Amino acid sequence: AQSVTQLGSHVSVSEGALVLLRCNYSSSVPPYLFWYVQYPNQGLQLLLKYTTGATLVKGINGFEAEFKKSETSFHLTKPSAHMSDAAEYFCAVSDGDAGGYNKLIFGAGTRLAVHP
Amino acid sequence: DTAVSQTPKYLVTQMGNDKSIKCEQNLGHDTMYWYKQDSKKFLKIMFSYNNKELIINETVPNRFSPKSPDKAHLNLHINSLELGDSAVYFCASSQETGSNSPLHFGNGTRLTVT
Repeated sequence: AQSVTQLGSHVSVSEGALVLLRCNYSSSVPPYLFWYVQYPNQGLQLLLKYTTGATLVKGINGFEAEFKKSETSFHLTKPSAHMSDAAEYFCAVSDGDAGGYNKLIFGAGTRLAVHP
Repeated sequence: DTAVSQTPKYLVTQMGNDKSIKCEQNLGHDTMYWYKQDSKKFLKIMFSYNNKELIINETVPNRFSPKSPDKAHLNLHINSLELGDSAVYFCASSQETGSNSPLHFGNGTRLTVT
């Protein structure tokens, strides 16, 4: 069965510092991987996704993630944090046992705090 | 121009009551979903419909009954509400049923059962 582990439920960085949010997955099939962001009292928004092809994926708001099969990781990075990046971030993997249907398995989330 | 809209945004009710949450998407997507986010922010799929047909039905109490009158709408009716049903319920849609099709989420309905 597929699963997602996000290391660190809370991450705090200074404005302008590197953001690194960690995600490891397990999957019995080649995975589709996603990062979503949730701002307070809002729904989730897609940041980026990996399906096939290039392992370095660029998303919105300057975020990117690299799929590393050997490490079963899909860490999210941003070179320079902005105050507006403060939010909850969710890593997700598609469930390969869902008969091809779209069923996402989410990690527990990482709350990113950005301080001046 | 909200893409996926849910009503109501907040719902406070007593145990034993029946309530409904409505969802509409104007993206022209074929597939819609209900997800539940608990107090620890953990998200889990409940149901998925493709063009009005149920395709994913997770282990959810049968007090929860989704209804899709057309592919742009997916409502969630909950009977005999319990304290444990308190959560944020998110509706979502995707263009296709395939597992590489990203989800578009509504802003959620915060249900509080007292």
